[in-house]
Amino acid sequence: SQKIEQNSEALNIQEGKTATLTCNYTNYSPAYLQWYRQDPGRGPVFLLLIRENEKEKRKERLKVTFDTTLKQSLFHITASQPADSATYLCVSNTGGFKTIFGAGTRLFVKA
Amino acid sequence: NAGVTQTPKFQVLKTGQSMTLQCAQDMNHNSMYWYRQDPGMGLRLIYYSASEGTTDKGEVPNGYNVSRLNKREFSLRLESAAPSQTSVYFCASSEISRGNNEQFFGPGTRLTVL
Repeated sequence: SQKIEQNSEALNIQEGKTATLTCNYTNYSPAYLQWYRQDPGRGPVFLLLIRENEKEKRKERLKVTFDTTLKQSLFHITASQPADSATYLCVSNTGGFKTIFGAGTRLFVKA
Repeated sequence: NAGVTQTPKFQVLKTGQSMTLQCAQDMNHNSMYWYRQDPGMGLRLIYYSASEGTTDKGEVPNGYNVSRLNKREFSLRLESAAPSQTSVYFCASSEISRGNNEQFFGPGTRLTVL
């Protein structure tokens, strides 16, 4: 079955460093991948989308890559700040209106 | 613009009781979705409505029904609640024609079934 896997262990980094989160997908080829941010007690908020024919996409301090050979997307936050602490979700389409969500990776940025 | 609103925020039910979760969006989106989120798992799609007047099953539809009341509102009904339906429920909306299916989420309803 189609699956998205994200590192379930929390990622702890120091302020100012680059955080790198991984998303791996299996048994399908998504047309695009999305990344969302979710804070405790709130709904997810859309951050970035990258299509299968794009290798990299940037938005301010965020960068996403899409490697269709490795079946993987990497999400980077440069110059991380404590306010970046949240859970980050990788999401992909599976056809039509249906999407599947990864379980998310919790990021903690220490001052 | 309120975005996506959900009511109630919290609810406790006894096994066998019924209830309806309400969702409304003011962004004039065509598509709306209901998800559930359980600890350690990604959001799972329960039902979706591609456009007003249509509804379709998602990954985990059993035990739920939906109604797309109009373009703004999409409700989720639990006819006979079970403890396995204890979860956080999120409603979302999107406009597929924008090309990226960016979904806008409500704040969620935390449901406990005893």
